Amino acid sequence: DIEMTQSPVSLSASVGDRVTISCRASQNIDKSLNWYQQKPGKAPKLLMYGAYTLQSGVPSRFSGGGSGTDFTLTISSLQPEDFATYSCQQTYFIPWTFGQGTKVEIK
Amino acid sequence: QVQLQESGPGLVKPSETLSLNCTVSGGPINGYFWSWVRQPAGKGLEWIGRFFGTETINYNPSLKRRVTISLDASKNLLSLRLTSVTAADTAVYYCARDGERYFGLDVWGQGTSVTVSS
Repeated sequence: DIEMTQSPVSLSASVGDRVTISCRASQNIDKSLNWYQQKPGKAPKLLMYGAYTLQSGVPSRFSGGGSGTDFTLTISSLQPEDFATYSCQQTYFIPWTFGQGTKVEIK
Repeated sequence: QVQLQESGPGLVKPSETLSLNCTVSGGPINGYFWSWVRQPAGKGLEWIGRFFGTETINYNPSLKRRVTISLDASKNLLSLRLTSVTAADTAVYYCARDGERYFGLDVWGQGTSVTVSS
């Protein structure tokens, strides 16, 4: 299985901050990387697919990058509704696998 | 707008079989992959498997011996069956639709909590 490792595991930030989350795959997955946002007690929400393409309706303050094994999710100016857990997922090899999640908390 | 709704027992005894359903409404069930994903409390997401059409099924090898996913298009119903459950199978179980690009899971049910306990 492809192992997905996110860093950091958690971070504290303030409204308006720029935040970057990293995701590393244990082998090359080209651009087959998706990002999700999950709030407590809720289902995950697809933010981005194919490493950098925003899902419809997702604000443009979210951006993604990377290919191969190293990927990033950036929030350019953190908003109150962005405090949540973010997870990456590879869809290059079955079984699809997820990172352990990065919790973004209020500073 | 496509909506998914999971249903099933909240409590299952160890060694028994867990059966969950996912009702798909507001859109077509044919032509898409449909996945099951689970999440133990406080932990990350685990992909269980997916179903497409009438024959294409992919399972997570870690669960393959115990899991069956099926789809009844006439009832717009996706089903999950997990045999010989243990406490390690306690989780929130979600059904989700694989999107057309990079199989991002673009529609999710609200999830159903399952506890394995005697």
